[in-house]
Amino acid sequence: SAVISQKPSRDICQRGTSLTIQCQVDSQVTMMFWYRQQPGQSLTLIATANQGSEATYESGFVIDKFPISRPNLTFSTLTVSNMSPEDSSIYLCSVVRGDTQYFGPGTRLTVL
Amino acid sequence: TQLLEQSPQFLSIQEGENLTVYCNSSSVFSSLQWYRQEPGEGPVLLVTVVTGGEVKKLKRLTFQFGDARKDSSLHITAAQPGDTGLYLCAGGRGSNYKLTFGKGTLLTVNP
Repeated sequence: SAVISQKPSRDICQRGTSLTIQCQVDSQVTMMFWYRQQPGQSLTLIATANQGSEATYESGFVIDKFPISRPNLTFSTLTVSNMSPEDSSIYLCSVVRGDTQYFGPGTRLTVL
Repeated sequence: TQLLEQSPQFLSIQEGENLTVYCNSSSVFSSLQWYRQEPGEGPVLLVTVVTGGEVKKLKRLTFQFGDARKDSSLHITAAQPGDTGLYLCAGGRGSNYKLTFGKGTLLTVNP
C-alpha cells in the first residue's frame, strides 16, 4: 500500500488568489497524479507530475492555471492560480505502486 | 472522450437488502476498477477486473466485467450500514495508469 498525506485538508479562499496544495508519499514513487473532483462530477485527471521534468497536462488544463512541482520522488505540489468559484472542488493526488493506484485524502477547496 | 455512465446515481436501502450498481461505456477498456470513497477520504480500490466475463468476489461484494469489456456491475448481498459510501468505477487503457472515472453511485444503507 501507500500512505499519502495532503495539506491543507480544506481551505476557503477569495476569488483571484492562489492556493498551493501539497502531497507527500511515504516512499518513493515514479508516477504521481493530480485529480479534481467537482460536486456531482467524476474525478478528472488534471496532470501527471513527473520528477525532473515538466508535468503532463490533460486536455482542458494548462500550466498557467495549475502549475505543478515535483522536486523529488516523494513530494509534489499543485497550485490553483487566480481562483474563481468554479474552482471549488476536491483536489486529490494519487500514486501508482505495483498495479494499484492509491489516493490521498483530498483537499476540499471553496472559492468565494 | 471516453465516458463511463454509472447507475443509479443515488441509492438508499435498508440493512439486509441486496443491490446492484452498473457501470457502462461505449468504449472498450483494458481494465475496470471499482473504488469506494467515504466523506473526507480519497477513493480506496476494491477490485480490478481485466478479463471479459471475469467475476470477482470480495466477501459480500461481487464484481463482474462484461464480455466485451465495456461494462461492469457491482452486486452487494445483505448490505450493511458500513457499506455506505460513494462507489466509483474507473476504466483503464494501456499501461499508463490514466483512469477514466464514472460519476459514482452514492449508496446509503439505513440500519
